[in-house]
Amino acid sequence: GAGVSQSPSNKVTEKGKDVELRCDPISGHTALYWYRQSLGQGLEFLIYFQGNSAPDKSGLPSDRFSAERTGGSVSTLTIQRTQQEDSAVYLCASSRNPSGSYEQYFGPGTRLTVT
Amino acid sequence: AQRVTQPEKLLSVFKGAPVELKCNYSYSGSPELFWYVQYSRQRLQLLLRHISRESIKGFTADLNKGETSFHLKKPFAQEEDSAMYYCAPPLDRGSTLGRLYFGRGTQLTVWP
Repeated sequence: GAGVSQSPSNKVTEKGKDVELRCDPISGHTALYWYRQSLGQGLEFLIYFQGNSAPDKSGLPSDRFSAERTGGSVSTLTIQRTQQEDSAVYLCASSRNPSGSYEQYFGPGTRLTVT
Repeated sequence: AQRVTQPEKLLSVFKGAPVELKCNYSYSGSPELFWYVQYSRQRLQLLLRHISRESIKGFTADLNKGETSFHLKKPFAQEEDSAMYYCAPPLDRGSTLGRLYFGRGTQLTVWP
């Protein structure tokens, strides 16, 4: 079956503009995660959705970042008034079960460049 | 708070040499631990999980509760092992949350 997909694969935007990044998780996966991967910074957790529960937003770096998950499936990460330090690869992952026992499946990522 | 430490950002070995990627965690419960790998131009993917006690691509990882470590080892490194490796211990099983805390990663380079 299809894996996690993300769009766009690359996004170049001007500083101050808003961007939306999309994630389509694997069908049937109840948990969805957003991470940011920056050079030299490793993998940084941003936000986590599980079913109808309130999302864990503890990793969002500022109030310019927000995310939604509609209908328990597709998720959109929005970055408002982008800054150059937002440039990174944004990864989405989903897992079948929220328990840490289950593997996370990652998408190919969206490379965001803020000029 | 949960913490994961991968002390080496970069690690280089020659082909055929043993390799050990270090991972230490702070955790009060009984952890389940994972190693994820990202090869060049590929997606991040699961390499192995300690609970299954498996060996994948010659790699093994032993959980040492006394040292709170989960180091990844391979006796004879291959050039195709060159990749970024992330250690990931999840939260307490009693928690309702399922997020993973990834380490910052170790970039392994295996020279010919």
